[in-house]
Amino acid sequence: AQSVTQLGSHVSVSEGALVLLRCNYSSSVPPYLFWYVQYPNQGLQLLLKYTSAATLVKGINGFEAEFKKSETSFHLTKPSAHMSDAAEYFCAVRGPGSARQLTFGSGTQLTVLP
Amino acid sequence: NAGVTQTPKFQVLKTGQSMTLQCAQDMNHNSMYWYRQDPGMGLRLIYYSASEGTTDKGEVPNGYNVSRLNKREFSLRLESAAPSQTSVYFCASSVPGQGREGGSGYTFGSGTRLTVV
Repeated sequence: AQSVTQLGSHVSVSEGALVLLRCNYSSSVPPYLFWYVQYPNQGLQLLLKYTSAATLVKGINGFEAEFKKSETSFHLTKPSAHMSDAAEYFCAVRGPGSARQLTFGSGTQLTVLP
Repeated sequence: NAGVTQTPKFQVLKTGQSMTLQCAQDMNHNSMYWYRQDPGMGLRLIYYSASEGTTDKGEVPNGYNVSRLNKREFSLRLESAAPSQTSVYFCASSVPGQGREGGSGYTFGSGTRLTVV
């Protein structure tokens, strides 16, 4: 079965600092990996996805993630944090089942300090 | 706007009451899903429907039933609500996950916040 682990349930950064949110996955087949963002009282919005094309994936709002098979990681980064980036972020893996349902990590709450 | 619509947005139930959460999508997606979100636990899959006419249990199906009414609609029913079912419920839809389309993400509704007292 596939799974993801997000290291750090809460991450705080200063505005303008590097954002690094960590995600490690486990999958019995080559995975499809996703990052979603959830703003308060809203649903989840797709930030970016890895589908075995390029290992460095660029998403919306200046975020990117790098797929590293040797490390089974898919960490999310942004060079310079903005106050509007404050939200909860979820890493997810799409597995091999009949509907290839998404399995989510437990989430990382990002706080951006002025 | 195209997307996933969930109703109601908020609901308070007494223990033992029943209710149905409604979900509809207008993107012609084959697959639909129900998740619950609890603090510190991410989203956990309750039930899913890979295509019209099929439904399957996810990770946490106990206490719930679903109906795939047609291609657009996928409802979640709580027959006898319990305080442990207090949560935020999300419906999502996607194209089937096979082959190249496995790289497609989900489109989520805005959620139903349910409190059982």
